[in-house]
Amino acid sequence: NAGVTQTPKFQVLKTGQSMTLQCAQDMNHEYMSWYRQDPGMGLRLIHYSVGAGITDQGEVPNGYNVSRSTTEDFPLRLLLAAPSQTSVYFCASRALGRGNYGYTFGSGTRLTVV
Amino acid sequence: AQKITQTQPGMFVQEKEAVTLDCTYDTSDPSYGLFWYKQPSSGEMIFLIYQGSYDQQNATEGRYSLNFQKARKSANLVISASQLGDSAMYFCAMREGLRRDGAQKLVFGQGTRLTINP
Repeated sequence: NAGVTQTPKFQVLKTGQSMTLQCAQDMNHEYMSWYRQDPGMGLRLIHYSVGAGITDQGEVPNGYNVSRSTTEDFPLRLLLAAPSQTSVYFCASRALGRGNYGYTFGSGTRLTVV
Repeated sequence: AQKITQTQPGMFVQEKEAVTLDCTYDTSDPSYGLFWYKQPSSGEMIFLIYQGSYDQQNATEGRYSLNFQKARKSANLVISASQLGDSAMYFCAMREGLRRDGAQKLVFGQGTRLTINP
């Protein structure tokens, strides 16, 4: 099925470990983004990209790195995991242009840092 | 400054009643879009309805309608004839502007937890 695929769905890390959250879409969407969702905080934008080779920071970028080498993939890297990064992470994509409004979300990755 | 404000942390409604979820927004950009998403307990984000800042009429999608009051900067979601399956978190979100590179960040409110009672 077409859509946004996030892996893994669940992950437990120890403080100081690193990992990469994967996000892939097969809709040829130019725009991709990462959000984190914390209780009572809604979704906050971490990083986003408008195409291969182009990334920019969102509202809460510290502690996270991204790259966009292909249109399909937009991985999120945690280099030194901290307990404050315990959260649910969502990847979202959309096609650019006024004619398209909808964002497609992945099913989320629940990350716990102990 | 908070861009999207949802003042109702939780709401309880009887089944079959209509419910209004409040959302106010803050932007100086004349071109923006407003979204409502539903997040059930399973966690996925489900798109419900969209309203563009230049749209003349309020958006409707089945039982969902958006009460768009531009001068008041409000975009309330109205759910008619509520059902038990409507119990979920509801998020209001805004996309601002259209930049040359196409980047339009989507900013979310804190959400309202809606519970439908039988």
